Amino acid sequence: GESVGLHLPTLSVQEGDNSIINCAYSNSASDYFIWYKQESGKGPQFIIDIRSNMDKRQGQRVTVLLNKTVKHLSLQIAATQPGDSAVYFCAEGAWAGNNRKLIWGLGTSLAVNP
Amino acid sequence: GAVVSQHPSRVICKSGTSVKIECRSLDFQATTMFWYRQFPKQSLMLMATSNEGSKATYEQGVEKDKFLINHASLTLSTLTVTSAHPEDSSFYICSARDGARRLNEQFFGPGTRLTVL
Repeated sequence: GESVGLHLPTLSVQEGDNSIINCAYSNSASDYFIWYKQESGKGPQFIIDIRSNMDKRQGQRVTVLLNKTVKHLSLQIAATQPGDSAVYFCAEGAWAGNNRKLIWGLGTSLAVNP
Repeated sequence: GAVVSQHPSRVICKSGTSVKIECRSLDFQATTMFWYRQFPKQSLMLMATSNEGSKATYEQGVEKDKFLINHASLTLSTLTVTSAHPEDSSFYICSARDGARRLNEQFFGPGTRLTVL
C-alpha cells in the first residue's frame, strides 16, 4: 500500500505486505531527514535517518528514499507486522542559530490488518 | 542508553492553576532540550528550544510568559504552564540532544498528557 502525506492520511495494509509512506518536505536547504514512529499516547521513536548527500538508506525491514529534486521522502516497511501499526512522521532538520531543530510533517497513520 | 523521562505522565488540573512538567535525561548530558505540544491526530509543534544555563528560544506564537522553561542543569528541563486554561490541554513532549553525540540526534520523552478542567 502507498500514501501521500499532505493531510493526515490513513494507510491500511495486510500483514505481510510491504508499506510505503510518503512525505513532501518544504525546505530545499534541509540536509537531514528522519522518520519517527509514534504509538498512541507515547513519544516519537526514531526509525531511520538519511543525510541529503544520500538517496537511499536501509535498516532492518525499513528503507528510506530521498528525492531532492522533487523534495520527496519515503519510508518503505517490508513484511509489515501488526506491531508496525502507529502514526509515522517525517521530519527535516533545519538550523536555527547553533541548534538544529526539527520541522515535522503531518503524519500518516498505518493500520495493519492481521 | 539515551533515555529521556518525563514526569508526570498525565495531569489533570483546574483552570487557573499552574502545572510543572519535568524532563530528564537519565544517562547522558543534555546540552539542548526541546519542548513540543501535540493536539489529537496532529503533528508535533515545536514550542521552544532551551540550552543549559541560558534563556529558552521560543517559536513564533508561543507565549514565553505562559510557558515558562527552565534548563538549569544538564539533565533537567522544566516546562511550567502558568494559569492553565482548557485550551492548554494537550500532549506535551520533550526531547533532548546529547552534547557528546552528533548534532542531529534528538531523544524523545514519553510525553505528558495535560487536561485542564
